Amino acid sequence: DIQMTQSPSSLSAFVGDRVTITCRASQSISSYLNWYQEKPGKAPKLLIYAASSLQGGVPSRFSGSGSGTDFTLTISSLQPEDFASYYCQQSHSAPWTFGRGTKVEIK
Amino acid sequence: QLQLQESGPGLVKPSETLSLTCTVSGGSISSSSYYGGWLRQPPGKGLEWIGSIYYSGRTYNNPSLKSRVTMSVDTSKNQFSLKLSSVTAADTAVYYCARLTYDYGGIFDFWGQGTLVTVSS
Repeated sequence: DIQMTQSPSSLSAFVGDRVTITCRASQSISSYLNWYQEKPGKAPKLLIYAASSLQGGVPSRFSGSGSGTDFTLTISSLQPEDFASYYCQQSHSAPWTFGRGTKVEIK
Repeated sequence: QLQLQESGPGLVKPSETLSLTCTVSGGSISSSSYYGGWLRQPPGKGLEWIGSIYYSGRTYNNPSLKSRVTMSVDTSKNQFSLKLSSVTAADTAVYYCARLTYDYGGIFDFWGQGTLVTVSS
């Protein structure tokens, strides 16, 4: 199985801050990397697919980059509704695997 | 907008079978492009893909769960279901259903809210 390592596991930030979350795959996955947002009691939401493609309806302050084994999710200006947990997932080969998540909290 | 909703018992006894159903609204599961998927998240742990089912009934399971997983689909009700046998406390988790698309590998583009299933006597 492909292991996904996400960092940090949590972070605190102010509204308006630029936030970066990283994800590393245990082997090359080309651009087969997706990012999800999860809020308590709500359905997880696909934000980014294919490493850098924004899912429809997702604000442009979210962006993704990377290829091979190293990937980044960036929130350019953190908004109150962005305080949530974020997960990366490799879609290169089954079994599909996820990172352990990053919890973004208010500072 | 596609919506998915999980339903089933919130408490299952050890060694018994966990049964969940996912009801899809806002679209048909009888699509040639999509699969129904099941995932779970144990308390304090990461997300784990359990398996996926096509509307034809073809299934793909995570080998980590070996032969304990059975999935089925009812296109007339726009539902797909999960059964996990011989459960233990380690199967306690929030269980999600999701739509799986293969536009660029396996992507879960719509999810249910999740349902907590506790395994306890």
